[in-house]
Amino acid sequence: AQSVAQPEDQVNVAEGNPLTVKCTYSVSGNPYLFWYVQYPNRGLQFLLKYITGDNLVKGSYGFEAEFNKSQTSFHLKKPSALVSDSALYFCAVRDLYNQGGKLIFGQGTELSVKP
Amino acid sequence: NAGVMQNPRHLVRRRGQEARLRCSPMKGHSHVYWYRQLPEEGLKFMVYLQKENIIDESGMPKERFSAEFPKEGPSILRIQQVVRGDSAAYFCASSPAVEETQYFGPGTRLLVL
Repeated sequence: AQSVAQPEDQVNVAEGNPLTVKCTYSVSGNPYLFWYVQYPNRGLQFLLKYITGDNLVKGSYGFEAEFNKSQTSFHLKKPSALVSDSALYFCAVRDLYNQGGKLIFGQGTELSVKP
Repeated sequence: NAGVMQNPRHLVRRRGQEARLRCSPMKGHSHVYWYRQLPEEGLKFMVYLQKENIIDESGMPKERFSAEFPKEGPSILRIQQVVRGDSAAYFCASSPAVEETQYFGPGTRLLVL
């Protein structure tokens, strides 16, 4: 079965510092990986995805993610955090073994950026 | 191009009533997915529909829940005889093709009293 894990429930960083939100995956075959962000009482916004190609993927709002096959990880990163980045972040993998490619989400990581 | 639309944004029902949640996908998107976010839990897939067809309903409870995506009009997630455990945020996502990115609506927050 395909799955993703976000080992940290919460990440705290100071504004201006780099941030990392961790995600590891377990899939058979090549993974299709995604990051979404959810602001309070809002829907999920797509940040970036890895399908194939370069291991470093650049996305919206200055975020990027690094695909590491040997460590089965897809960590989300940003060089300099903003207070407005505070939100709930979800890593997801697309289920390729069922019709339709539903997304399987991690539990989410609450990012808090303090001034 | 408007995003995915969901209504109502908030819905309050008493136990035993019916809840109808609507989702209008982005223009040009014929694939619709429904997910549920229970309190203190992540998002869980419920059902995937493509115009007039249910493709995958493996995440949908067997009883009381149904979904449709008619040829004309929005997709509907219907919950009959709601119970308190149905209280959650229900999100709809759409994509133009099965292999494309899914874009999410703002969600419907259902509260069952």
